[in-house]
Amino acid sequence: RKEVEQDPGPFNVPEGATVAFNCTYSNSASQSFFWYRQDCRKEPKLLMSVYSSGNEDGRFTAQLNRASQYISLLIRDSKLSDSATYLCVVNNENTGFQKLVFGTGTRLLVSP
Amino acid sequence: DVKVTQSSRYLVKRTGEKVFLECVQDMDHENMFWYRQDPGLGLRLIYFSYDVKMKEKGDIPEGYSVSREKKERFSLILESASTNQTSMYLCASSKPGLAGEGQFFGPGTRLTVL
Repeated sequence: RKEVEQDPGPFNVPEGATVAFNCTYSNSASQSFFWYRQDCRKEPKLLMSVYSSGNEDGRFTAQLNRASQYISLLIRDSKLSDSATYLCVVNNENTGFQKLVFGTGTRLLVSP
Repeated sequence: DVKVTQSSRYLVKRTGEKVFLECVQDMDHENMFWYRQDPGLGLRLIYFSYDVKMKEKGDIPEGYSVSREKKERFSLILESASTNQTSMYLCASSKPGLAGEGQFFGPGTRLTVL
């Protein structure tokens, strides 16, 4: 079983749609959680951290459920520019060292 | 703006060659990382360094070594390249702590070993 599991997609949605991605992680000791975005042939970039209370950044909302070991990302009013692969990432920091574990990503395609 | 640069975008080498991949960051970050990214497997950590001259093995260190002689520079070395090391190699840097500000990635080096 992979440490971080995501539906690979692709999710095909029209502009303006709301889309949600889910992610599960297996290590109950995971310390912190993130969503990264990776455009085609580009490097991953941090989209947002995920906090236990849930957090929002514009059209993006992230939620964490530690009991179920589940993370979600909601994108409202999708734009063409949101087309990318979204990586779910957990930090299994041990003895002070960062150790990010990446999911394989969920691909989003937003069409006109 | 954090900038992480990698020495080559594309590299083609032959089996058995020694390969050096260089990474430089300009934000005075303590942590630096080398990952490889393969379809269906995602990013996997090869090695990381939390200080000059310090290194730690990641999840897949076999066949690789690293060097960090200066804080801003982290090199990945393939002592004897093999075809199964054909991959996209990504370098990253970050501040210490719980990675709240994230790891910043370079543009990647696509290495092909023939």
